[in-house]
This record gives sequence, structure tokens and C-alpha cells, in this order.
Amino acid sequence: KAGVTQTPRYLIKTRGQQVTLSCSPISGHRSVSWYQQTPGQGLQFLFEYFSETQRNKGNFPGRFSGRQFSNSRSEMNVSTLELGDSALYLCASANYLRDSAYEQYFGPGTRLTVT
Amino acid sequence: AQRVTQPEKLLSVFKGAPVELKCNYSYSGSPELFWYVQYSRQRLQLLLRHISRESIKGFTADLNKGETSFHLKKPFAQEEDSAMYYCALRRSGSARQLTFGSGTQLTVLP
Repeated sequence: KAGVTQTPRYLIKTRGQQVTLSCSPISGHRSVSWYQQTPGQGLQFLFEYFSETQRNKGNFPGRFSGRQFSNSRSEMNVSTLELGDSALYLCASANYLRDSAYEQYFGPGTRLTVT
Repeated sequence: AQRVTQPEKLLSVFKGAPVELKCNYSYSGSPELFWYVQYSRQRLQLLLRHISRESIKGFTADLNKGETSFHLKKPFAQEEDSAMYYCALRRSGSARQLTFGSGTQLTVLP
């Protein structure tokens, strides 16, 4: 089975711009979660999508948004970029139906640099 | 709100020595605890979860609800164990997100 894929892997943007990151989950996984990883704050949960619906949201401003498509692929959007948004953005997919053996599979991440 | 604490940012041990990576949590309900590992240039991956009570790559972790701890242990460290280790908590109920600790960089010296 192919793992979680994220595109692009690296991105450089300027303050004030917006950016869209993409995540393709493992085939059959319907849950997609997004995390932000920074040296200062560590790994922080952004949001989770299941069946095209946002299920949970972390403590991030409204500039951070996402969506999920019918094929479970997910996109994350950050508008009006700030320098502090520079981070590694990780996507994780999970097999929602096997809750007793719940495991999130992580992608390689997208490294976003805001200048 | 839940919180996961890993008090050691860096930990170095010699090959063959025992290793223990500490993890403490605060959560009023019944949590599910995990250890994730990230080897150099690889993606984050699950090492073990407390409900499985299994040993993976010689590592074990026991959930101690009285001390709210989930320390990761291995009796004889190997050089290939060098990696970043994250303790994570998932709340009871439908919320799927993981709350991560800040991580411990383990270096096993030859």
C-alpha cells in the first residue's frame, strides 16, 4: 500500500500571500488530520476531516482552513501568511473504522518557509 | 485540557545500557497513550500504544494511571535506536487528534 503523500514537499512564500497544501491519504483511510510542527511549539493539531466534514479543530486562527474531497484527499489553506507560519506541516491518515487499533500514519510533511 | 510532558529534550546512553524516556500526562478522563518515533530523514511512525501491551524493537511502555506516566523503556539500547521520540495522548471519546509531547532526542553512543 502506498503511504500518505503530501505535495509540495517544500514551499517558500512571502508574508501576506496564501498557500494551499495537499495530502493524499492511504487508500481506504477516510480520516485525515493536519499538524503543525515548529521548533518552539512542537507538534500541534490543526484539524481533522472525515467524510468531507471537519470533525475537530485545534487552537489556530481562522486563517488556517481545510477541506476534504470525496476521494478523501485533503487540502489545507493558510491565508495572509505570517512569518510565524513557517513550519513543517504534517498530514496523517487513519482507518476510522478500526478504532480499536487506531493508528495515524504520517506523511513526510510540507516544509513551508515564509519570508 | 490535556497535556503531555517529556522532561528530557536530549538523552544520551551507551550501546548496551538501559534507556528510559520519560512521559507524563495530565488528563481527567481515560486517555490512550502512544509512543511515536522519527528516525533521521524518515517520517513519524507509531512505535507502540499502551492498549496493545506489546514490545516493539525491544521497547516497552506501561501506563501508570496513579503517576500519570507512560515511560518508554529498553533494557539494552542499540545504535539504531537513535531517533526522536514523541509521547502522544488521545482523549477518550470521538476526538481523534493526538496531543504530543515536545519530544526527546535519543542518541545511543557506540
